[in-house]
Amino acid sequence: EAGVAQSPRYKIIEKRQSVAFWCNPISGHATLYWYQQILGQGPKLLIQFQNNGVVDDSQLPKDRFSAERLKGVDSTLKIQPAKLEDSAVYLCASSPIKSTGNGYTFGSGTRLTVV
Amino acid sequence: GENVEQHPSTLSVQEGDSAVIKCTYSDSASNYFPWYKQELGKRPQLIIDIRSNVGEKKDQRIAVTLNKTAKHFSLHITETQPEDSAVYFCAASIGFKTIFGAGTRLFVKA
Repeated sequence: EAGVAQSPRYKIIEKRQSVAFWCNPISGHATLYWYQQILGQGPKLLIQFQNNGVVDDSQLPKDRFSAERLKGVDSTLKIQPAKLEDSAVYLCASSPIKSTGNGYTFGSGTRLTVV
Repeated sequence: GENVEQHPSTLSVQEGDSAVIKCTYSDSASNYFPWYKQELGKRPQLIIDIRSNVGEKKDQRIAVTLNKTAKHFSLHITETQPEDSAVYFCAASIGFKTIFGAGTRLFVKA
């Protein structure tokens, strides 16, 4: 089966600019996650979707980050305006059901550098 | 909320030796504990998982143990090989939320 697709792989922007990342989960996976992984740390959940609804966005800095999954399939994560501390790898993951008991499949991530 | 602590942050072993990585969690309601391996520049990949109704699970050279009373779980890798070198993350799931540990960087010296 095809994996979780993410683009772009790399992005370099200046602070205060905006950036968007795209994710296409595994076909049929209802749940989609966006994680932020800062160098040397574990992934930190930003937002979780169940189909096209938000399940958890408690860790999303809503003053600058936004995400959507309009048709319940692919998703975009946006940062506007970006700060230096947003430099990280942004990982998208999907799983087939909402509840626990299934490991995630991660995409390759987008490495964001804010200069 | 759930908090997962992972130790050690770095582990260096000789090829053929065993490696053990330990994690503790704070919320006794957590019921699913996956482990991920992340090689440099690559995505985390699920290598083994355990549910709260099981105390131990093994898959070839890797095994995971869970002590619900103490709220800790461990990853054991036997007969380590250079290709085991990577960062390993533990995680604990409660409901639909998964919290990751900070990771352990494992070096296997040939």
